[in-house]
Amino acid sequence: QKEVEQDPGPLSVPEGAIVSLNCTYSNSAFQYFMWYRQYSRKGPELLMYTYSSGNKEDGRFTAQVDKSSKYISLFIRDSQPSDSATYLCAIPSGNTPLVFGKGTRLSVIA
Amino acid sequence: KAGVTQTPRYLIKTRGQQVTLSCSPISGHRSVSWYQQTPGQGLQFLFEYFSETQRNKGNFPGRFSGRQFSNSRSEMNVSTLELGDSALYLCASSPRGGQGYEQYFGPGTRLTVT
Repeated sequence: QKEVEQDPGPLSVPEGAIVSLNCTYSNSAFQYFMWYRQYSRKGPELLMYTYSSGNKEDGRFTAQVDKSSKYISLFIRDSQPSDSATYLCAIPSGNTPLVFGKGTRLSVIA
Repeated sequence: KAGVTQTPRYLIKTRGQQVTLSCSPISGHRSVSWYQQTPGQGLQFLFEYFSETQRNKGNFPGRFSGRQFSNSRSEMNVSTLELGDSALYLCASSPRGGQGYEQYFGPGTRLTVT
């Protein structure tokens, strides 16, 4: 079983929709959870960073961690065409600074 | 503050050659990590350097190596290039590295091996 699994999509939604992006992880000892956004031909940029369980909100973005299910989510409210990108979940694991999911490609259609 | 910079941005090499990629971290960051990104495997960790010492290494062959200088700048080298080494190579810097610290990525170097 991979340490971090993410549905690669692609996901296509109309402008204004609520988007839900998800990852599952295998190790219940994981404590830090990150979401990165990567535009085409760019490096990943850190969007959200949460520690342990619960929710964290930043503008239109909400990161949620459910440790009992080993499930992390990123919600985007009022999605915009500028949100079209690949979203990657990432978790520090053992000796690896970050283990990444494969990324979900999102397209927001105007 | 300036972000992470990587040079060159694009590179085309032939099988069997070697290549050196360079990374300058955010000022004040002492940890530099390298990742390889391909469509099939996604982002995979290569190695991490902190204060000129390799702290961690991913599951890549010995053809992949790196180093870090006293000013925290880092280079990675790939010898005897193979077609499968074609990828986006990303460098990330962090204040201290290790778990719990955010990593900030550069734009990457796109390497094509022909």
